Amino acid sequence: DTAVSQTPKYLVTQMGNDKSIKCEQNLGHDTMYWYKQDSKKFLKIMFSYNNKELIINETVPNRFSPKSPDKAHLNLHINSLELGDSAVYFCASSLLGGGGLNYGYTFGSGTRLTVV
Amino acid sequence: KNEVEQSPQNLTAQEGEFITINCSYSVGISALHWLQQHPGGGIVSLFMLSSGKKKHGRLIATINIQEKHSSLHITASHPRDSAVYICAARIQGAQKLVFGQGTRLTINP
Repeated sequence: DTAVSQTPKYLVTQMGNDKSIKCEQNLGHDTMYWYKQDSKKFLKIMFSYNNKELIINETVPNRFSPKSPDKAHLNLHINSLELGDSAVYFCASSLLGGGGLNYGYTFGSGTRLTVV
Repeated sequence: KNEVEQSPQNLTAQEGEFITINCSYSVGISALHWLQQHPGGGIVSLFMLSSGKKKHGRLIATINIQEKHSSLHITASHPRDSAVYICAARIQGAQKLVFGQGTRLTINP
């Protein structure tokens, strides 16, 4: 199946731990994103990579570090987890054509992170 | 104030009704997206618009660039249309989406 797949789907962990969420897309897209959805269901961009290069880095604590080993993968590592990090994290991808055109987004199914 | 505002925030209707969800934005955009988030949490991209109107089945999306306004219409609504509908603006010159707060739609049989 062509898709954006995230793992794990659910993650429950204690404060202070370090955890990673993985994202992979097999759509041939060249741009990947991490979005955070808070308890009020509001989505906000965190990071974006285009061809393994960081192009968007919103105001996010530096405990969050994205890593893109290749253009099909964008992982999110979180150090020293805090209660406020509890949210749903969505990975997405798109094809950024020449001239900055964008042919639409495909979202992963989300990772529900609960910090206790 | 959010750069992208949706209304209404919640909408309950009877099966068969015509539904309209509105989205206004205050920034320059290169495109506007309508997304659907089902109760299970997954997000599906419904439309990407930069002008005019698009139709897919019972869903119609329109955009008025001058008025900075977009609408999502659902004709002959059905309980399976119950979801959160999210409007997202792609900021001109940037590759990020700015999201509205979502409209929770409930269609009763």
